[in-house]
Order: sequence, then structure tokens, then C-alpha cells
Amino acid sequence: NAGVMQNPRHLVRRRGQEARLRCSPMKGHSHVYWYRQLPEEGLKFMVYLQKENIIDESGMPKERFSAEFPKEGPSILRIQQVVRGDSAAYFCASSPKRSNEQFFGPGTRLTVL
Amino acid sequence: DQQVKQNSPSLSVQEGRISILNCDYTNSMFDYFLWYKKYPAEGPTFLISISSIKDKNEDGRFTVFLNKSAKHLSLHIVPSQPGDSAVYFCAASSNFGNEKLTFGTGTRLTIIP
Repeated sequence: NAGVMQNPRHLVRRRGQEARLRCSPMKGHSHVYWYRQLPEEGLKFMVYLQKENIIDESGMPKERFSAEFPKEGPSILRIQQVVRGDSAAYFCASSPKRSNEQFFGPGTRLTVL
Repeated sequence: DQQVKQNSPSLSVQEGRISILNCDYTNSMFDYFLWYKKYPAEGPTFLISISSIKDKNEDGRFTVFLNKSAKHLSLHIVPSQPGDSAVYFCAASSNFGNEKLTFGTGTRLTIIP
């Protein structure tokens, strides 16, 4: 039973480019969460999605960031026109229905030059 | 506003002794608490959890204690082993079932052989 998968593991972008991060949840999990970890900080919630629905996006920056979890395929976190402050580790987690336990992927480390 | 606090950034413990990691929270709506362990360049791994209706939960070498009146929880690891060296995050959520997690800033535990 494969765990949560994220790709790419490392992503380098220049300022102004777009970053696209992918997350495939564990088999049987229909709930996906995205978190961001800045250096020397804890993980900060960004967005919670179910298939084709955004449930809670209270942690998402108002501009440049978007997320989706389509009916088919992985969840995507998209960052447009990246800036240096977007450099961080982005973690995806998934959970089954009616559970507080979230299982994390290995993360995508985004570096903006 | 840091709603979940881990005031000790680091802790060193002799192998075989007990490790005690502490966590405080301020939001009285939190009713479910989790501990995660994280190695460098990996995602957090779920360790143990506790709901607010309990004051203790045990799983092998790991025990979590919850003191609701003090808004404090702790993770005990006994006996400590070298493989326990990692960063430990405390996390909290409200309303059981598929809610975002609020993380502390982590405690780096080092087990001295």
C-alpha cells in the first residue's frame, strides 16, 4: 500500500516563473491537505480539499496561489509568478473520511532563485 | 499568533533514559492532539494521538499525557533509543474528523549513545 506521493521532490524556479506541485493521496483517502514549512518553523496549513471541492483555504495567500483536486489525477498546488519568499518545503497529507490522522508525503522543496 | 507552542527547541537525552517533550496550546476549541516525528528531508510521520476525552494514551514506548485545565500535553518516550533522534512536532485540531492541523514549531531530540 503506497503512501502519499509527491513530485517533484525538488523544484528550482526563477523569480516570475510558475511552480506546479503534485500530490497523490494514499489509496482510499479522499481528503487532501497542503502545508508549507519555512526554514526553522513548524508546518503551516494552506488548504484542505476533497475531490473537486475546496473545503478550507483559510491558509492560502490571497494572490498567486491556487489548488485543485480533480476527479481524476493528483492534487495540484500551483504558485504563479514565484518570489524568493515562496522558497520552502511544501507537504501534502491525506486522510480517510472522518479521521483526524493525516499521513504526509515526503514533501517538495521549492527553491526560487 | 502561535496557538500551539513547543518552548524547547532542542533536547538531549541519554540512551535508555526517558525523553519528555512538552507542548502548550491556547485555543480551547482544540480537542484532538497528535505527535509527529520528522527526519531531515522527509515528511512527518504520525506517532500517537489523544482526544480531549482522555488524559493518557499509550502505544509501546510512547505515551501522551493531556492536561486540559493547563492546556498542556507531553510525549514520553521510554526507553529512548538512538533512532528516536529527530524533530518532534505537536499538532492540534478541533471537531473530530477531517480538520486542518495546527502545528507547533518542533523540538529537536538527540539521543546520546
